[in-house]
Amino acid sequence: SYELTQPPSVSVSPGQTARITCSGDALPKKNAHWYQKKPGQAPGLVIYKDTERPSGIPERFSGSSSGTTVTLTISGVQAEDEADYYCQSEDNSGTYAVFGGGTKLTVL
Amino acid sequence: EVQLVQSGAEVKKPGESLKISCKGSGYTFSTYFIGWVRQMPGKGLEWMGIIDPGDSETRYSPSFQGQVTISADKSITTAYLQWRSLKASDTAMYYCARHKYSYNRHDAFDVWGQGTMVTVSS
Repeated sequence: SYELTQPPSVSVSPGQTARITCSGDALPKKNAHWYQKKPGQAPGLVIYKDTERPSGIPERFSGSSSGTTVTLTISGVQAEDEADYYCQSEDNSGTYAVFGGGTKLTVL
Repeated sequence: EVQLVQSGAEVKKPGESLKISCKGSGYTFSTYFIGWVRQMPGKGLEWMGIIDPGDSETRYSPSFQGQVTISADKSITTAYLQWRSLKASDTAMYYCARHKYSYNRHDAFDVWGQGTMVTVSS
């Protein structure tokens, strides 16, 4: 079955830029979305359709796409951004969706 | 306010059946796909499947096909996730979530339920 690959962890100091990647063969043809997940809370959408930011999401969150990789960038990371981040997309046929394995962002 | 409210936590024994619910409000329920997402303890998010509440058409992840049943009753704006015979490995938090745009099968989840914890233990 289709898989999306994320690094297990990323660490940055406050104020630095965090980049979280997500790789998958179908990403050149399929939209990707990003979610933030904190313990005890439901996931929240932070980026949709590769680059779009939902209303209410800070401008420091951005998304980009290049070939088989999409990237979530958090500029000027704040302590409150510490969370697990998941990408989501679809298989080549658009039959079903999958999440990446998740990336734990640690703010040092 | 658009919201999804899920049923409460469940504790069941292996082999028992279970149906958990997700009630939508504040929007036209029949026009937005609803999906279910699993998170096992200490693990990542898993996309289980989605349903079009308008016509009850469903799509499942290959990992969950035949293991669970997703259904919906648009008359009471509620979606369901059902098991015929639970296993200990079904112990997890289950979230329902709504697609961002109406009538769009291929979409992000922008509204989430609060989650239902299911514990299966003898």
